[in-house]
Amino acid sequence: EVQLVESGGGLVQPGGSLRLSCAASGFTFSSYWMHWVRQAPGKGLVWVSRINGDGGTTLYADSVKGRFTISRDNAKNTLYLQMNSLRAEDTAVYYCARRSDYGGWFDYWGQGTLVTVSS
Amino acid sequence: EIVLTQSPGTLSLSPGERATLSCRASQSVSGRYLAWYQQKPGQAPRLLIYDASSRATGIPDRFSGSGSGTDFTLTISRLEPEDFAVYYCQQYAGTPWTFGQGTKVEIK
Repeated sequence: EVQLVESGGGLVQPGGSLRLSCAASGFTFSSYWMHWVRQAPGKGLVWVSRINGDGGTTLYADSVKGRFTISRDNAKNTLYLQMNSLRAEDTAVYYCARRSDYGGWFDYWGQGTLVTVSS
Repeated sequence: EIVLTQSPGTLSLSPGERATLSCRASQSVSGRYLAWYQQKPGQAPRLLIYDASSRATGIPDRFSGSGSGTDFTLTISRLEPEDFAVYYCQQYAGTPWTFGQGTKVEIK
């Protein structure tokens, strides 16, 4: 059974940092591109970042470019999102999602972890 | 960036009724690379439809997708109680990947 479990969310002050993790199981993690998607309270889904299977290629939304870094440890079956210089507008539930093996859609999602940026 | 606009914002219907949700793109979505997701309160999104009209594994056949170019539709033929939720369309034809703002299907 495919499982994605996020962790690492919490309350952080503006300008602070946080690292999110997404532990994957039930599939060959290194074979899949992975994404982070966020959802501000009461709002819609917004794509944040993507990484390919070996971690060599990454892509970011303009809103987080230069502040967030996506990475993965295929030996640990874990995806990461390092978030620096956090702003109030980064407050959201952050989901990790797996890109399907057959196309660009997201076939499995984690349950999400809440990041709150506030003083 | 491809902007997706969903309508209506809220759809008030009764169980057993037919739901028709629209997703319009700001430019043509090549390859019909469009997906639909369902999200219930406090839950992660769940894939319903990919490539505009293919149902994901385990999705009941009352859910169907159609469309091409800039206009796409998700239809729920007969609403079941568990179908009341928010629905998002998403395009994966170009980067950045983008989502519509969502349509809430609520019980009338």
